[in-house]
Amino acid sequence: GQQLNQSPQSMFIQEGEDVSMNCTSSSIFNTWLWYKQDPGEGPVLLIALYKAGELTSNGRLTAQFGITRKDSFLNISASIPSDVGIYFCAGQLKGGSEKLVFGKGTKLTVNP
Amino acid sequence: GAVVSQHPSRVICKSGTSVKIECRSLDFQATTMFWYRQFPKKSLMLMATSNEGSKATYEQGVEKDKFLINHASLTLSTLTVTSAHPEDSSFYICSAHEKDRFRVTEAFFGQGTRLTVV
Repeated sequence: GQQLNQSPQSMFIQEGEDVSMNCTSSSIFNTWLWYKQDPGEGPVLLIALYKAGELTSNGRLTAQFGITRKDSFLNISASIPSDVGIYFCAGQLKGGSEKLVFGKGTKLTVNP
Repeated sequence: GAVVSQHPSRVICKSGTSVKIECRSLDFQATTMFWYRQFPKKSLMLMATSNEGSKATYEQGVEKDKFLINHASLTLSTLTVTSAHPEDSSFYICSAHEKDRFRVTEAFFGQGTRLTVV
């Protein structure tokens, strides 16, 4: 099925550094969602975006819905060890069904 | 945010037996729920859309007789893996959406079920 292009696939950073990851597509989206998944757990919703250009924060996390509605990024500032995990973007296509399209994930490792 | 509860979190079963996994939306009604399968180090793969009061819609390549889905109420969907085989061992996750008239506003996932078939 269709997937979003999520990058990078993995990141190794030092505690305190900022992180940025993004998802792009050739299709237009109504909704962008960002998730964090810990091993053996279901994804947990971090941020939801609904409007082109929208910039939303959740603590140290900031995400934006691209102006073209074809991309989104997630930033994590001042990373801490508990930020370790896999981050997924997901979106609902414009004019599509309720089904979500997922990125392949970004695995984040934070070195203390 | 809304909560989706999935049970059991882990199950081990013998080959040839059936296993039922439950997915409940705890504080909202979900006319539609989704079942995913996740392989190690991979993204979520949609298996089927569970529709309250009607038949589930399966994705291409997913055997509907192998993965039985029932959505009998607005808060409960079940996935039954029938005649399980070791290759069915995987991490299964359900989700439910909150939405407004035009779009999905939020999608919440259960905790996942680790199925091991021996």
